[in-house]
Amino acid sequence: DTAVSQTPKYLVTQMGNDKSIKCEQNLGHDTMYWYKQDSKKFLKIMFSYNNKELIINETVPNRFSPKSPDKAHLNLHINSLELGDSAVYFCASSQGDRVNEQYFGPGTRLTVT
Amino acid sequence: AQKVTQAQTEISVVEKEDVTLDCVYETRDTTYYLFWYKQPPSGELVFLIRRNSFDEQNEISGRYSWNFQKSTSSFNFTITASQVVDSAVYFCALSEVSGAGSYQLTFGKGTKLSVIP
Repeated sequence: DTAVSQTPKYLVTQMGNDKSIKCEQNLGHDTMYWYKQDSKKFLKIMFSYNNKELIINETVPNRFSPKSPDKAHLNLHINSLELGDSAVYFCASSQGDRVNEQYFGPGTRLTVT
Repeated sequence: AQKVTQAQTEISVVEKEDVTLDCVYETRDTTYYLFWYKQPPSGELVFLIRRNSFDEQNEISGRYSWNFQKSTSSFNFTITASQVVDSAVYFCALSEVSGAGSYQLTFGKGTKLSVIP
């Protein structure tokens, strides 16, 4: 059983398009996150959701919007894609209002051409 | 200011050598957590260890050991008798209270370890 899953694994699209990345966790965790890993492997948090409420919103462009239909899902929508959005996006989840260890999905490699 | 510093960008060792990955952190909180994650070439991120700020005991798990020293704000990771499968990027991370009152995980830039057979 996959604990944290993401789809798609690879996403190639053109500038200006709108795309979504889906994330699901079956761990029963109540907090989910999105991270961006750039070409230099630097990991930075983008968003986190706790009990369907946004509790961290880093200074990411408003073209990025997280949507959580329920506690087990946190999808990432990206509008008007730009070349600089090319990166690997990781979804993660953890339990509790304190940050326990986070479990990461396999990542989605987004390439904007 | 960088909150988690992994000064070693890349390290290469020969198989069976011991290797230590350094991590220095900066925080004003008295309660915080430190983590190590491994990212093998396949790309996934694997949790290795969590340590809270009140527990300075060193920890050993098989060939892995961690040395937490609050006095020097360091949380170093040692792999004994390294193996090729240890080749990966290793991230140190700090969890502390953010401005919103929740905990936020900040990663270091990672250390790429290459173990040569």
